[in-house]
Amino acid sequence: LAKTTQPISMDSYEGQEVNITCSHNNIATNDYITWYQQFPSQGPRFIIQGYKTKVTNEVASLFIPADRKSSTLSLPRVSLSDTAVYYCLVGDRLGYGGSQGNLIFGKGTKLSVKP
Amino acid sequence: NAGVTQTPKFRILKIGQSMTLQCTQDMNHNYMYWYRQDPGMGLKLIYYSVGAGITDKGEVPNGYNVSRSTTEDFPLRLELAAPSQTSVYFCASSYGSGGAGTQYFGPGTRLLVL
Repeated sequence: LAKTTQPISMDSYEGQEVNITCSHNNIATNDYITWYQQFPSQGPRFIIQGYKTKVTNEVASLFIPADRKSSTLSLPRVSLSDTAVYYCLVGDRLGYGGSQGNLIFGKGTKLSVKP
Repeated sequence: NAGVTQTPKFRILKIGQSMTLQCTQDMNHNYMYWYRQDPGMGLKLIYYSVGAGITDKGEVPNGYNVSRSTTEDFPLRLELAAPSQTSVYFCASSYGSGGAGTQYFGPGTRLLVL
């Protein structure tokens, strides 16, 4: 099972770009990398997903090097509302019966954005 | 479109009691999941389902049971509650499978076992 490691916390200021890196040395060939955002007392919310190279959507970018042993979530120009915990998830497709679920969430990175 | 709903929001159980956490989704997703989240920790997969009538164990299935009789519902059963099951439980669903899909999470059920 791929284990993920993230920084416990990060601080930033409004308007700055924030990069959060997740290490996943044992990532398997079929694993995808997904990032979720979680606010207190809420369920996680999908941010972005990728397999390799770079993916960009309207809220973030995801950089994945060729060896796929790490990934970096980039949040451009953060605001106070981006203060949350960010989770890196590594996992592949789940099969029918007999296979053990292998969706591994990291412990998350608590991002604090200051004015 | 309510997404993923969970009931109850909060519950206190005595050791040895049983209960069922309810989860319903209205997005017609085939895949559904149950996670638990302990304070300051990430989410751990308890059970998942790839479709009605099909369920399988996740990382931490001991002490729990699930069933999936319909596409919409995926209840989680706790038998003989123990203090170690004190946690926040999240249900999720996705169209794509597992790590390759976008999971939509419910608001969670906070469970306290005393």
